[in-house]
Amino acid sequence: AQKVTQAQTEISVVEKEDVTLDCVYETRDTTYYLFWYKQPPSGELVFLIRRNSFDEQNEISGRYSWNFQKSTSSFNFTITASQVVDSAVYFCALSEVYTTSGTYKYIFGTGTRLKVLA
Amino acid sequence: DGGITQSPKYLFRKEGQNVTLSCEQNLNHDAMYWYRQDPGQGLRLIYYSQIVNDFQKGDIAEGYSVSREKKESFPLTVTSAQKNPTAFYLCASSNPSRGVQETQYFGPGTRLLVL
Repeated sequence: AQKVTQAQTEISVVEKEDVTLDCVYETRDTTYYLFWYKQPPSGELVFLIRRNSFDEQNEISGRYSWNFQKSTSSFNFTITASQVVDSAVYFCALSEVYTTSGTYKYIFGTGTRLKVLA
Repeated sequence: DGGITQSPKYLFRKEGQNVTLSCEQNLNHDAMYWYRQDPGQGLRLIYYSQIVNDFQKGDIAEGYSVSREKKESFPLTVTSAQKNPTAFYLCASSNPSRGVQETQYFGPGTRLLVL
């Protein structure tokens, strides 16, 4: 069955530390997409990255980087030199075909709450 | 600026009452979605609509209803049949292309509380 596991419920780090958020997924499909979203205290989900299953190249965007490894079904997210503004809940999501008409569906992990202490 | 708006930010429901949550987008997206978020859990899909005048049940549609009369609007009604409606409700939209999963963009959410 399709599933996304974020085993880390809550992580606390001190500002300027690096932190990695883990995401492990299960899927039957060969074509799928993976996403990371940030949910600050305001509640809105903010899109961070999308990755398709055929692109295993790691990506870096400023202090953010993502490591996608199909061999271990993982899509981990690292924040370098964390800042207080990074404090939020981070969700990993898997998207795959939901219906015979080709509709896609997101499956969300339970999220990891990151607290960055000053 | 393009985006998704949800109103109200907080909504209180009395026992046996139907309430409607508003979701409007000006991104010109065809698809819209409603999710429910409970504390410590991920988001679960309630309803989705791929195009105007068409919508489909998601994983937890019981006790909810929707309409899609306009491309920009996808209101969600929480009916009295929903026995545990207290949650955070998020609306999203995307422009799906066949064979490609486009990104879903989310609104700011509505927090529903039962009095």
